[in-house]
Amino acid sequence: GAGVSQSPSNKVTEKGKDVELRCDPISGHTALYWYRQRLGQGLEFLIYFQGNSAPDKSGLPSDRFSAERTGESVSTLTIQRTQQEDSAVYLCASSSVTTDYSYEQYFGPGTRLTVT
Amino acid sequence: EDQVTQSPEALRLQEGESSSLNCSYTVSGLRGLFWYRQDPGKGPEFLFTLYSAGEEKEKERLKATLTKKESFLHITAPKPEDSATYLCAVQAKGAGANSKLTFGKGITLSVRP
Repeated sequence: GAGVSQSPSNKVTEKGKDVELRCDPISGHTALYWYRQRLGQGLEFLIYFQGNSAPDKSGLPSDRFSAERTGESVSTLTIQRTQQEDSAVYLCASSSVTTDYSYEQYFGPGTRLTVT
Repeated sequence: EDQVTQSPEALRLQEGESSSLNCSYTVSGLRGLFWYRQDPGKGPEFLFTLYSAGEEKEKERLKATLTKKESFLHITAPKPEDSATYLCAVQAKGAGANSKLTFGKGITLSVRP
């Protein structure tokens, strides 16, 4: 079936502008995650949605970052007043408990954000 | 705080030269340890999940093993198409079945023909 999709694949924006990144998870997956991957760094957790529970926002680096999810489908990550240090690849992942209780997360191709 | 350290940062092998990638971790109760492969410009691709010390999993030329402090990804007779960055991540217990992953920085593997 279809995997996780993200759009746009690339985004170049000027410092101070707002950007919105989109993620379509695998159908039926109840959990959705956003991570950030900066050059030379490991993936950094940002936020996690699980069904109708309150999201885990503990990884958001500042109040310029926010995310929403509509039910168990599409999510958008919004970065307001972008700064150059926001330049990174933003990765979305989704997961669902399987019959063997494995919890692997499946990733999309990412959105490469460049702030000039 | 959960931590994952991968070594070496980069590894260059000749085709057919077997080796191992290391992932050391500290976590407040391990729910699972995950290995991913990431090709340039793409998202991570899931390889393995390990849940308890002593567990091993294999897929083609790759075998992942787990102890209480580290995991190894053994690559037997690698081919150039195995060239990629290999990521290790841990998931802690107690935060829900689908909680966040903590990743290492990855190991970049290059296999020369």
